[in-house]
Amino acid sequence: EAGVAQSPRYKIIEKRQSVAFWCNPISGHATLYWYQQILGQGPKLLIQFQNNGVVDDSQLPKDRFSAERLKGVDSTLKIQPAKLEDSAVYLCASSPGQKEKLFFGSGTQLSVL
Amino acid sequence: QKEVEQDPGPLSVPEGAIVSLNCTYSNSAFQYFMWYRQYSRKGPELLMYTYSSGNKEDGRFTAQVDKSSKYISLFIRDSQPSDSATYLCAMTPPSGGGNKLTFGTGTQLKVEL
Repeated sequence: EAGVAQSPRYKIIEKRQSVAFWCNPISGHATLYWYQQILGQGPKLLIQFQNNGVVDDSQLPKDRFSAERLKGVDSTLKIQPAKLEDSAVYLCASSPGQKEKLFFGSGTQLSVL
Repeated sequence: QKEVEQDPGPLSVPEGAIVSLNCTYSNSAFQYFMWYRQYSRKGPELLMYTYSSGNKEDGRFTAQVDKSSKYISLFIRDSQPSDSATYLCAMTPPSGGGNKLTFGTGTQLKVEL
């Protein structure tokens, strides 16, 4: 079974630039999550989708972050404009349903200079 | 005060040692408790999942929950170099919480030959 795919693997940008991350969840998984993991910290949930609808985006900085999940499959997370404090690993995870085991991708490591 | 506190380590032990990893939490609404293992440059993977107070064993791993003290532990017996990773505790409230996990900061473990 293929895992959660994320790209790019690494991204380096300057502050105030924009960046986008892509996630392809495990086939058939209805629930998709984006987590932010800052160095030395645990992952923090940014947004949760159930199919193509948003379940929870309470911790998403909506002035600069946006996410979408078109057709309930792939998802993109965008940051515009980026700040230095956005440097982190952005993890995508999926699960068959909202209360089931999460499967994480390897993440996109973002460095904002 | 953070909702979940975890000693960041790093923790270095010889091969074959018993390892004890711990988390404390302040939110009594947390009812589901998990331990994730995260290898360098990889996403977290679920190791153990518990609900009730007491012990749960899976091979060399034992998860322990003490809800009265708001304290959870992960024990690793006969530790191996392949156990070298960061261990994250995570927890979530019951119904309505979905998979909105609150993670600890992670404990970095190194098992040396």
